Amino acid sequence: KAGVTQTPRYLIKTRGQQVTLSCSPISGHRSVSWYQQTPGQGLQFLFEYFSETQRNKGNFPGRFSGRQFSNSRSEMNVSTLELGDSALYLCATTPQSGSPDTQYFGPGTRLTVL
Amino acid sequence: AQSVAQPEDQVNVAEGNPLTVKCTYSVSGNPYLFWYVQYPNRGLQFLLKYITGDNLVKGSYGFEAEFNKSQTSFHLKKPSALVSDSALYFCAVRDSLTYKYIFGTGTRLKVLA
Repeated sequence: KAGVTQTPRYLIKTRGQQVTLSCSPISGHRSVSWYQQTPGQGLQFLFEYFSETQRNKGNFPGRFSGRQFSNSRSEMNVSTLELGDSALYLCATTPQSGSPDTQYFGPGTRLTVL
Repeated sequence: AQSVAQPEDQVNVAEGNPLTVKCTYSVSGNPYLFWYVQYPNRGLQFLLKYITGDNLVKGSYGFEAEFNKSQTSFHLKKPSALVSDSALYFCAVRDSLTYKYIFGTGTRLKVLA
């Protein structure tokens, strides 16, 4: 089975721009979660989608948004980028059955905001 | 408030020696506890989890973890460290009421040859 894929792997943007990141889950996985990883803060939870609905949300400003499509692929969008948004963005997906609580992570998208 | 603490930013251990990476948690309800490992330029890889049952959980690559409810801890252990175990380790808890995952800030493990 193919793993979780994230595109693009690297992005460089300037302040004020917006960006869209994509996550394709493992086949059969219906839950997709997004995290922001920075050296000082560890992994911060952004949001979780399940069956095209946002099921959980972290404490991030409204500039961070997401959505999930009917094929379970998910996108997250960050508008009006700030320097502090530079981070590794990880998505994680959860199986529909088997081990529903184990998250499987993609390799991440490294976003640099200049 | 739910939280996970990894009190050590870095742990150094000699190859062949036992290693421990510490984790404590605070959640409402019953905790689901996890350990993940991250190698450079990679996503996180699942090591092991505690949902219920035996307090000692065995996982991948010879790692194990002990759930201690009274001390609210879930320390990661390995009897004999390898240089290839050098990586960033994350403890996480899933709150059984909110279903949110909360991660610690990570502990960098350095195994010295």
